Order: sequence, then structure tokens, then C-alpha cells
Amino acid sequence: ETGVTQTPRHLVMGMTNKKSLKCEQHLGHNAMYWYKQSAKKPLELMFVYNFKEQTENNSVPSRFSPECPNSSHLFLHLHTLQPEDSALYLCASSQDPAGTAKNIQYFGAGTRLSVL
Amino acid sequence: AQSVAQPEDQVNVAEGNPLTVKCTYSVSGNPYLFWYVQYPNRGLQFLLKYITGDNLVKGSYGFEAEFNKSQTSFHLKKPSALVSDSALYFCAVRDIINTGNQFYFGTGTSLTVIP
Repeated sequence: ETGVTQTPRHLVMGMTNKKSLKCEQHLGHNAMYWYKQSAKKPLELMFVYNFKEQTENNSVPSRFSPECPNSSHLFLHLHTLQPEDSALYLCASSQDPAGTAKNIQYFGAGTRLSVL
Repeated sequence: AQSVAQPEDQVNVAEGNPLTVKCTYSVSGNPYLFWYVQYPNRGLQFLLKYITGDNLVKGSYGFEAEFNKSQTSFHLKKPSALVSDSALYFCAVRDIINTGNQFYFGTGTSLTVIP
């Protein structure tokens, strides 16, 4: 195991539902990430948090709302999603000293989301 | 703009033969380069990285990659493929000029090792 746990592993939701994805890391890292993985496309970075502060938001629709209550936990709140939002959502964490970009990311197994 | 290209969606190789998975990159400064592997129903796992120094980098499971600055490439290689190497491989780059936490990933290459 990588030390990054995502729940649930699978989620089916209707377009009017509200659900949340959870990510927890046990590695003592200071940065956490949400990615969207769709077939035949590069991993899309959605959000980055560094020491609980959001540092990146790559033009993600407002129907995705991240929350980072502390450096170990990251949530992705979902509401009024569209069928094209169906994908594998991956969480990752890394330990990046300020001013560097050297360290690797550790990924969770992902949540397979299907929007009906 | 920073980007990564993996020109092959699919690579097939016979067990025991050498394998190569290609990656080229484009960054504004000097790159940090990474390879990750993804097995079915799993997240990405780190294989190896190039930061500086020797252009030939050795990583997990017998994989290695060669950084070629003139060709802006970072191809993944293994001398003798195993069936268990069959997986999805992603190349990624970070731009050291960009002090944010931004990784750029390729579209992935599906490797199938044929027994």
C-alpha cells in the first residue's frame, strides 16, 4: 500500500445527487492533490493543497468543491454532476520543501465514479 | 507551455525481450522527469525519476530511463520484459522554474508483455 487511502472505491450517482470523495494520507506529507483520469487523456490536475491552503485550481467547474481540513485529509464534494464527469478520481500526496519541486507523489487507488 | 508526449498508446513485447516506452517533454526550464506505473484498479506507483546527474536512471523492478536533453526525451527501458510488467505507464514532468506543485502527465502507454 502507498499510504494514501481513498474512499469509496466505487460510486454511482445521479445528476441531482450530492456526494463526497475522501482521501487520507498517513505519510506526514504537506501537499495533497486531486486528479481526474479519463481514458486516452492525460491525467488532469484539478486541485492542489499545500499546508491546507489551495495553491492550484485548474479551471475546474464549480460542481466540484474541494476541502482540506488538515494536511492529512482531503475531500472532493460533488453536486449536480454531468455524465461526462464519469472517470477515475485519484488523490495523491507529496512532501515538498518550500521552493523545490523534486519530490515524488504517492497515489491512492482512486474512486471510480459513474454519473447516470 | 509545459507538456509531455507519449506517442504510443499501446506497446506489445514478447516476454524476455527488451522493452522501450517512449516519452518526450517540453518545459521552459530544466525538467524533473518521472515515470509511474498503474496496475488495474490501482493508483499510480512511482518507478523512477531524473533530477540531475547521470543521464541513466535506475528504478524499481529493473526499469531504467535515459534522459536525453538534446532530444528532450526520457524513454523507459527494461532489458528483459516480464508478463507481470503488463500495465499502464505514465511519464510526467515538473518544471523547476515553476515553484508550484504542478505535475504534467502524458496520456499513458499500455504495455502488454506476451508470454
